[in-house]
Amino acid sequence: DVKVTQSSRYLVKRTGEKVFLECVQDMDHENMFWYRQDPGLGLRLIYFSYDVKMKEKGDIPEGYSVSREKKERFSLILESASTNQTSMYLCASSLLAGDSYNEQFFGPGTRLTVL
Amino acid sequence: AQTVTQSQPEMSVQEAETVTLSCTYDTSESDYYLFWYKQPPSRQMILVIRQEAYKQQNATENRFSVNFQKAAKSFSLKISDSQLGDAAMYFCAYIEAGNQFYFGTGTSLTVIP
Repeated sequence: DVKVTQSSRYLVKRTGEKVFLECVQDMDHENMFWYRQDPGLGLRLIYFSYDVKMKEKGDIPEGYSVSREKKERFSLILESASTNQTSMYLCASSLLAGDSYNEQFFGPGTRLTVL
Repeated sequence: AQTVTQSQPEMSVQEAETVTLSCTYDTSESDYYLFWYKQPPSRQMILVIRQEAYKQQNATENRFSVNFQKAAKSFSLKISDSQLGDAAMYFCAYIEAGNQFYFGTGTSLTVIP
């Protein structure tokens, strides 16, 4: 079974702190994604990566950065956390699209609260 | 960006009854995939069912089936014989060329015993 894990289920940080959210997948997937989930807004893509050291901006990249130094690990970084970044953060991974479009496998999510 | 619309923020169904969740999408492409994902209260999203746009036959997975209307750009999910474990948030998703998914805003399904 594909397994996507996230470093924390719940996280509380203070405004201005630097925050790292870690995601690890064990299925050798090329693609990895970071989403933000808010009530009434669904899932919004922050960043994705289709290879080591490669990254692409999603729909809401402002205030976030990412790092992918190893294939299995994709980190989301909040350089200076703000209260409007309080949200549920979901990581996902998938195979690189080839002849078929592959499903995404999700981690359990990190509920981040910024005070 | 592509848009995926789920017009029902909340739905409820009696246990053992059938419920249909709606989804529409906007695209000019002819080749794409559509998905329904389920997110139970534990929050881990799992795939329920997927449909290839080039296939005319509607996908079915046990009690879950879709009604795919390509011309109308509609992709509804039917859950038959609803069970308490079906209570969850359901997301419709779309992917075309490339690797980015587009998700709807979700429908929260309550199953009434």
